[in-house]
Amino acid sequence: GENVEQHPSTLSVQEGDSAVIKCTYSDSASNYFPWYKQELGKGPQLIIDIRSNVGEKKDQRIAVTLNKTAKHFSLHITETQPEDSAVYFCAAPKGGYGGSQGNLIFGKGTKLSVKP
Amino acid sequence: DTEVTQTPKHLVMGMTNKKSLKCEQHMGHRAMYWYKQKAKKPPELMFVYSYEKLSINESVPSRFSPECPNSSLLNLHLHALQPEDSALYLCASSQAGSRGGAPKNIQYFGAGTRLSVL
Repeated sequence: GENVEQHPSTLSVQEGDSAVIKCTYSDSASNYFPWYKQELGKGPQLIIDIRSNVGEKKDQRIAVTLNKTAKHFSLHITETQPEDSAVYFCAAPKGGYGGSQGNLIFGKGTKLSVKP
Repeated sequence: DTEVTQTPKHLVMGMTNKKSLKCEQHMGHRAMYWYKQKAKKPPELMFVYSYEKLSINESVPSRFSPECPNSSLLNLHLHALQPEDSALYLCASSQAGSRGGAPKNIQYFGAGTRLSVL
């Protein structure tokens, strides 16, 4: 089965700086890696995802990179803003290849604080 | 519309009460999920429904009873809960794969029901 490790657990940056959150996974057959943002009092919201057939995906200030050889993927947020403050979770399919009925294993989360 | 609606937003119940959580989506998704999230922890999967049939039960105690009455609705019936069951209960939905196959991975979450068991 899949195991997902996420670092750091907390991250504090100044507004305008970049933030990077890293995750490692254990099952080399995993092929889908989403990132969720959870604001206080809300459910997780999908912000970006990547499939194993690409190495990088970008959406405005947010990018995700994937290194299949090393089995790690990272979330990059540039030009951070106070509204980026939230808990971020990475995830991977529980059963590796194909997602095993949609089960996702989540990392433990990173609390990002962006100071004005 | 990528909205998953959960009601109620907050629920306080005693250990002898019976209550239900409700979840609704109108995205045409045929896979729906219940997660439990404790404070400062990631969501933990409880149940998965695919085409209105229970496909995954992650060894959840029987005091939690899921129900999927139709393709848009998902319920979680609660009975004789313990204080340690207090948590945020999240519903999610996704496209389903072909019948008997794996659901698609992109899951959309509701805002959750904050449950307190006294």
